Amino acid sequence: EVQLVQSGAEVKKPGESLRISCKASGYSFSSHWIAWVRQMPGKGLEWMGIIYPGDSDTRYIPSFQGHVTISADESTSTAYLQWSSLKASDTAVYYCARHGVLGMMTLGPFDFWGQGTMVTVSS
Amino acid sequence: DIVMTQSPDSLAVSLGERATINCKSSQSVLYSPYNKHCLAWYQQKPGQPPKLLIYWASTRESGVPDRFSGSGSGTDFTLTISSLQAEDVAVYYCQQYYSTPFTFGPGTKVDIK
Repeated sequence: EVQLVQSGAEVKKPGESLRISCKASGYSFSSHWIAWVRQMPGKGLEWMGIIYPGDSDTRYIPSFQGHVTISADESTSTAYLQWSSLKASDTAVYYCARHGVLGMMTLGPFDFWGQGTMVTVSS
Repeated sequence: DIVMTQSPDSLAVSLGERATINCKSSQSVLYSPYNKHCLAWYQQKPGQPPKLLIYWASTRESGVPDRFSGSGSGTDFTLTISSLQAEDVAVYYCQQYYSTPFTFGPGTKVDIK
């Protein structure tokens, strides 16, 4: 059974650093792109960036590039999302999600999701 | 970036009645090698992650009830719930996976009338 299990809720102050995790099981971690998706309170879904654990190829959307870092550890089948300096506007639920593979297409829709990690940044 | 829009923002439908949600992409999301549209629909219930319902615009994900169906082509797509059940109360999002960033629509909230 495919599962993505995320780390627990975090409460941080502006300027602090943070790393949240997403542990995968039930499939070949190296063979599927993993994405991070942000959902701010009461808002919609924003695709932040992706990583291919097999070769650590990583892509970000411009608005998140430089503010977050996506990484993965094949040895523990875990993907990470980290911030070096949090802002209040980073308050959101963050989901990891697996891109499905549809034939030749390796960046298919999100077929499995983590349960979400609530990050609250407040002074 | 491809911009996804949805209509309506919200709708209330009586139990057993049909619910229809529209999604429009700012450009074609047709994947030529397969002649299929890179359009997915997700359902998100409160406090839960989204769940994939439909991909390739009209292919139902395994385990999804057949009252959910997707249609459309070009830049206009539709999600239809043929007979609304109480457990279908949720926000529904469309998403294109044709080109990065894989953008979502703003969501449509479905309630019981």
